[in-house]
Amino acid sequence: DVKVTQSSRYLVKRTGEKVFLECVQDMDHENMFWYRQDPGLGLRLIYFSYDVKMKEKGDIPEGYSVSREKKERFSLILESASTNQTSMYLCASTPQGARGNTIYFGEGSWLTVV
Amino acid sequence: AQRVTQPEKLLSVFKGAPVELKCNYSYSGSPELFWYVQYSRQRLQLLLRHISRESIKGFTADLNKGETSFHLKKPFAQEEDSAMYYCALSGQNTGRRALTFGSGTRLQVQP
Repeated sequence: DVKVTQSSRYLVKRTGEKVFLECVQDMDHENMFWYRQDPGLGLRLIYFSYDVKMKEKGDIPEGYSVSREKKERFSLILESASTNQTSMYLCASTPQGARGNTIYFGEGSWLTVV
Repeated sequence: AQRVTQPEKLLSVFKGAPVELKCNYSYSGSPELFWYVQYSRQRLQLLLRHISRESIKGFTADLNKGETSFHLKKPFAQEEDSAMYYCALSGQNTGRRALTFGSGTRLQVQP
């Protein structure tokens, strides 16, 4: 079974803090993604990575950065957290190859910025 | 640009009634379409994809390129079908495996 693990399930941070969200997958997938999930807006892509040290901006990258130093780990960084970044963050992964491959999601990280 | 539209935020039906969750897309090439489902307190998971032409848990979805739609249907809803449903699209850009999601529809099946 593919496993995508987000180490922090619930976080409360203060405005201006630097926040790290970690994601690890155990199936040697090349592609990894960070989405945020908001009611009425669905899932919006923040960043994705198709290889180690490679990254591309998604639809809403402003205020975020990412790091992929190892194949299995993809980190989302909020350099200076703001209240409008309060959301559910979902990490996902999929293997290289056909675009019909299933994307596997983590359980999500609930971030509240106060 | 690719876009997925799910016009209904909430769909409430009674057990045994037919269900249709609407999904329309905008994409200039040949898309791959998916339905993902999120049950309460569970992670988002794939329900079905159009290329497989399969029926999962009684749900089917047909890609209609003329109407640019990929509606999800089930003839008789069950209470365990209550969940959040997302339609998603994958474009032809082979460098980008990310999915574009719709805003989601919450299905409530009442007893």
